[in-house]
Amino acid sequence: DAGITQSPRHKVTETGTPVTLRCHQTENHRYMYWYRQDPGHGLRLIHYSYGVKDTDKGEVSDGYSVSRSKTEDFLLTLESATSSQTSVYFCAISDLGSSGNTIYFGEGSWLTVV
Amino acid sequence: GDSVTQMEGPVTLSEEAFLTINCTYTATGYPSLFWYVQYPGEGLQLLLKATKADDKGSNKGFEATYRKETTSFHLEKGSVQVSDSAVYFCALYILTGGGNKLTFGTGTQLKVEL
Repeated sequence: DAGITQSPRHKVTETGTPVTLRCHQTENHRYMYWYRQDPGHGLRLIHYSYGVKDTDKGEVSDGYSVSRSKTEDFLLTLESATSSQTSVYFCAISDLGSSGNTIYFGEGSWLTVV
Repeated sequence: GDSVTQMEGPVTLSEEAFLTINCTYTATGYPSLFWYVQYPGEGLQLLLKATKADDKGSNKGFEATYRKETTSFHLEKGSVQVSDSAVYFCALYILTGGGNKLTFGTGTQLKVEL
């Protein structure tokens, strides 16, 4: 299994509060991603990072920010959580390489906004 | 933009039945194709992949062939087991200027009954 750890794994928070999810990798991979998974939508990319301090938006980035101050950590922040952000969040990692490269996923973080 | 279309589920089969889950894609470049599997409460695991036309990916009795002419990557298994019950995601991967990203289908739930 790829060395990816997400924390917290489960969280319940109130509307309007800030929330930070952490992804930690031990693989020294260059690329890191945050996806959210919702019924009927599959997985959608929120933000991704292609290096330390290098990040870019995915298809559903509104309401989220990210930071990557070191290779191993990629943080996802909900500045002011809303009920529409109730979801399962997955971190993923990959490394630059041939087209045969693979993206590996963490175990997921279940977030409920009440 | 890039997209993946999967057949809707749930798909319900009896044990030892033949499985096909259809997947077609639209991509501006020349993607690699993947199938991921998600068991209840877990993250996504890579099931198989193919990186060029006519490649066949296979793993655990599952297989899929990269068909460029029909832009398809259908998942098949000759004899399913109860333990194969999960959600299956088709995905495409293209190396972009900013990094490599996976685009997912919405997932197909498979239920295998005795």
